[in-house]
Amino acid sequence: GDSVTQMEGPVTLSEEAFLTINCTYTATGYPSLFWYVQYPGEGLQLLLKATKADDKGSNKGFEATYRKETTSFHLEKGSVQVSDSAVYFCALRYGGSQGNLIFGKGTKLSVKP
Amino acid sequence: SQTIHQWPATLVQPVGSPLSLECTVEGTSNPNLYWYRQAAGRGLQLLFYSVGIGQISSEVPQNLSASRPQDRQFILSSKKLLLSDSGFYLCAWIAGYTDTQYFGPGTRLTVL
Repeated sequence: GDSVTQMEGPVTLSEEAFLTINCTYTATGYPSLFWYVQYPGEGLQLLLKATKADDKGSNKGFEATYRKETTSFHLEKGSVQVSDSAVYFCALRYGGSQGNLIFGKGTKLSVKP
Repeated sequence: SQTIHQWPATLVQPVGSPLSLECTVEGTSNPNLYWYRQAAGRGLQLLFYSVGIGQISSEVPQNLSASRPQDRQFILSSKKLLLSDSGFYLCAWIAGYTDTQYFGPGTRLTVL
């Protein structure tokens, strides 16, 4: 079945460091891909998304490119801030807009000043 | 604009007590609605989803149940809570014309 695999956390970085959180997926078709962020004690918020191969999603300095050839959607940010500390979830939706989201297990990011 | 509400925000319940968590969505009609659970240190687990009033699909068999008595209302219930029901419960919705799922603020449930 369809699945999403994220790198294990937690990830601890210093402020202004470069961030990469790896995400790969297994899908039988061409899903849309998402990154959600969960700040402490809150629900999930959509961070960015890409709906087809080679699309790049971007928001708040974060970027991810839909790579069909490597079935990946890695999240990157050039310079992290303390306020980026959160749990990041990679997800896919297959089966059109009515399909269910399939989430990775989440990666906790802690950014130290 | 659309908003999603969940209540209560936090809940502490004894083992064996009943549960009722409520989720309502404003500003849209006929959304798909979802209940997720996030246990401590773990990922998101889809519990139930609904594509319309009275229509409930269960993803994981357990002692929880869900109901959708109105178009924009989704309720998660249990007759007798277990310790393992502790966690962070998230409601979410999606409109049929988009591909983005929106989440509520969550309910933190502690079963003692």
